[in-house]
This record gives sequence, structure tokens and C-alpha cells, in this order.
Amino acid sequence: NAGVMQNPRHLVRRRGQEARLRCSPMKGHSHVYWYRQLPEEGLKFMVYLQKENIIDESGMPKERFSAEFPKEGPSILRIQQVVRGDSAAYFCASSPRSSGQTDTQYFGPGTRLTVL
Amino acid sequence: DAKTTQPPSMDCAEGRAANLPCNHSTISGNEYVYWYRQIHSQGPQYIIHGLKNNETNEMASLIITEDRKSSTLILPHATLRDTAVYYCIVTWAGSYQLTFGKGTKLSVIP
Repeated sequence: NAGVMQNPRHLVRRRGQEARLRCSPMKGHSHVYWYRQLPEEGLKFMVYLQKENIIDESGMPKERFSAEFPKEGPSILRIQQVVRGDSAAYFCASSPRSSGQTDTQYFGPGTRLTVL
Repeated sequence: DAKTTQPPSMDCAEGRAANLPCNHSTISGNEYVYWYRQIHSQGPQYIIHGLKNNETNEMASLIITEDRKSSTLILPHATLRDTAVYYCIVTWAGSYQLTFGKGTKLSVIP
């Protein structure tokens, strides 16, 4: 059973370019979460999505960042006009989100974004 | 979510049991205790979780005190591959924002 998949694993962008990070959830999971880990820091929640819906984006920076989870295909985290401070590891997690039960999140390997 | 306190680092001899403590004195009745680990900047790996009772799976055991104010993650026979940062997270069933603190850096020594 394949786990959460993320690509690319490493991404290098120059300041001002766009970065697109992809996440395919585990089979049977319909809920996706994005977290960011800055160097030497813990993971910080960014956004929670279901298919075609953003449920909570309270952790997303107000500008330049957006996320989607279309009906078909992977979830995308998009960063426009990247700056050096966006350099970080971005992790995606997925869960089945069974109602009435605790919901365990399973993480992918991450995408390491480096902005030159 | 309740705050957790973990020692910043621990050492464990290879083959011995690793006991990682976590304090969560403000935990409420509907909050679960989750443990994840992160091996050298890989994605966090789910280990185990529990509410009131002790839990065991193929990776570890989770011992929760009767008052639920603290817990211990036990790796029964630590190997070098268990060297990682271990995170204790308290969260309620409906929550989806996992709050990662600094965790405990476990070093397994040959």
C-alpha cells in the first residue's frame, strides 16, 4: 500500500519564480494537510483540504501562497514570487477522517525548497 | 490543545529499552496522546496513540498514567535506526492541526 507521495523531493527556484509542490494522499484518504518546517524549527500547520474544498487555511501566509485539492489529481501547494525566506521543507499528510473517531495523519517524505 | 513537555535529548544503548517521557498536565478528557518521530529531516512517522488505556503495536508501547497527566513511549529494543526526534502531541479527536514542539532527540548508541 503506497504511502503519501510528494514530488518533487527537491526544488530549487530563484527569487521571484513560482514553486509548485504536489502531494498524492494515501489510497482511500480524502483529507490532505500541508505543514512547513523552517530550518531548525518544528513543523507548522499551513492548510487543510478536502476534495475541491479548503477547510482551514489559517496557517497559510496571506500573500503568495495558495493550495488546492482538485476532484482529480494531487493536491498542489503553490508559492508565487518566492523569496529566500520560503526556503524550507514542506510536508504533506493525509488521513481518512472517519467521523466520530480520532484521525491519524500520515506524512509524506517532504519537498525541500531552496530559493537562491 | 494541551501543552506537552519533553526532555530535549536522551541517549539509549543499542538493544536496550528506550523510555521517552512526556508531561501533559493540562490534558482534557477528550484529548488523545499521539507520538510521531522524525528521522533526519524525513517526513514525520506515526508511531502510536492512546486516550486512557495503555497501547501496544509493532513499533512501540504507550503507557499513560491513571490521571493522564503524563505518558511514556517505550521502544522495547532500540536499534541505531531508532535515532530520531520524537514528538509527543496532545490533540482532541476533532482537531486536524498537529502542534509539533521541539520533541526529544533520541540517540541510540552502539
